[in-house]
Amino acid sequence: DVVMTQSHLSLPVTLGQPASISCRSSQSLVYRDGNSYLSWFQQRPGQSPRRLIFRVSNRDSGVPDRFSGSGSGTDFTLKISRVEAEDVGVYYCMQGTHWPYTFGQGTKLEIK
Amino acid sequence: EVQLVESGGGLVQPGRSLRLSCTASGFTFGDYAMGWVRQAPGKGLEWVGFIRKKLHGGTTDYAAPVKGRFTISRDDSKNIAYLQMNSLKTEDTAVYYCRLVGPMDVWGQGTTVIVSS
Repeated sequence: DVVMTQSHLSLPVTLGQPASISCRSSQSLVYRDGNSYLSWFQQRPGQSPRRLIFRVSNRDSGVPDRFSGSGSGTDFTLKISRVEAEDVGVYYCMQGTHWPYTFGQGTKLEIK
Repeated sequence: EVQLVESGGGLVQPGRSLRLSCTASGFTFGDYAMGWVRQAPGKGLEWVGFIRKKLHGGTTDYAAPVKGRFTISRDDSKNIAYLQMNSLKTEDTAVYYCRLVGPMDVWGQGTTVIVSS
């Protein structure tokens, strides 16, 4: 199975400051169609997960533009340009290239 | 409104069976693959499996921990996906989410399964 490793389990951030979460996969996520199926999800306390980013850098509908995704191959990053209070929650990367699809262990974003 | 609603969770003894349902509305159910993702208490997210749309054969794939015990099926006439769980183990205790597998991001609210004697 592809192992997804997120760099931090916890990320304390000051309101209004940027945040960055890294995710590394144990093998390339490039699919035979040339796309990398790497997504980012946010899970607020007590809620279902919500996808923020798909195929590395595409924002889902309704996702604020302060969220952005980047990366290639095996290294990926989710950036929040200015953290707001509503961003508190756990963030997961997920690869959808190789079955079984796998998630990172999650990064808990909290406000300092 | 695009929506998925899970049902069927509950408390069950180890070794017994349970069937979860995921009822869809607001979109053409038969046009999409449907998946199940679970989350053990205080833990991260884990794929259980998914079922392709009929146009792609309606075939299924499962994660290793559930293969041979769990079965995903679908009834496109009723807009429902099912997760049949047999030979349940204590480690299957989790919130089970159904999820549309495709360009849209749609999750249900989750249904809780507790496997305990």
